[in-house]
Amino acid sequence: NAGVMQNPRHLVRRRGQEARLRCSPVKGHSHVYWYRQLPEEGLKFMVYLQKENIIDESGMPKERFSAEFPKEGPSILRIQQVVRGDSAAYFCASSPARGDTEAFFGQGTRLTVV
Amino acid sequence: GENVEQHPSTLSVQEGDSAVIKCTYSDSASNYFPWYKQELGKRPQLIIDIRSNVGEKKDQRIAVTLNKTAKHFSLHITETQPEDSAVYFCAAMYNFNKFYFGSGTKLNVKP
Repeated sequence: NAGVMQNPRHLVRRRGQEARLRCSPVKGHSHVYWYRQLPEEGLKFMVYLQKENIIDESGMPKERFSAEFPKEGPSILRIQQVVRGDSAAYFCASSPARGDTEAFFGQGTRLTVV
Repeated sequence: GENVEQHPSTLSVQEGDSAVIKCTYSDSASNYFPWYKQELGKRPQLIIDIRSNVGEKKDQRIAVTLNKTAKHFSLHITETQPEDSAVYFCAAMYNFNKFYFGSGTKLNVKP
């Protein structure tokens, strides 16, 4: 009964490269959230997805960032042409259904842009 | 949308004392309020939660209170121990689909 799995745990990219972060939710969970955490700061909402649908992307930067949660496979957060300011920990969380239920977090991916 | 404010940003207590962290939210439609603990370099983990139909919930040394009228909720940790040192986040679930998090409280329990 695996929890939320994120990979890679650590990712180093040069400025201008693409970063792909993967999140496999808890088995049976159909809701995925992505959050960004800068050092010494809180969790900032980025995007909320259900299978094959983006429900709310109000926290996503308008350019370079995209997310998907396909019918099969993990959710992907994609950052194109990374810049130093993208360096952060990116956490994925999943929950089983709409409603007042707990969200389980993955271990996070720490992205460093050099 | 929702706006969650959390205070204090840092809190230092002596081992054995109590710690209280407070959060306010803006949208009266929010109905679920979890608290997460994040140790250094680790993922946030749920420690306690409360739903809007309840005013207080307790789990051993941890309790949460909710005042719907005032739109605030608090985390209470009694008999603090060094292993309670971590960052604590409150959250409010808005519109059944999105968690808004507070900015976090760094708790330091001094032995």
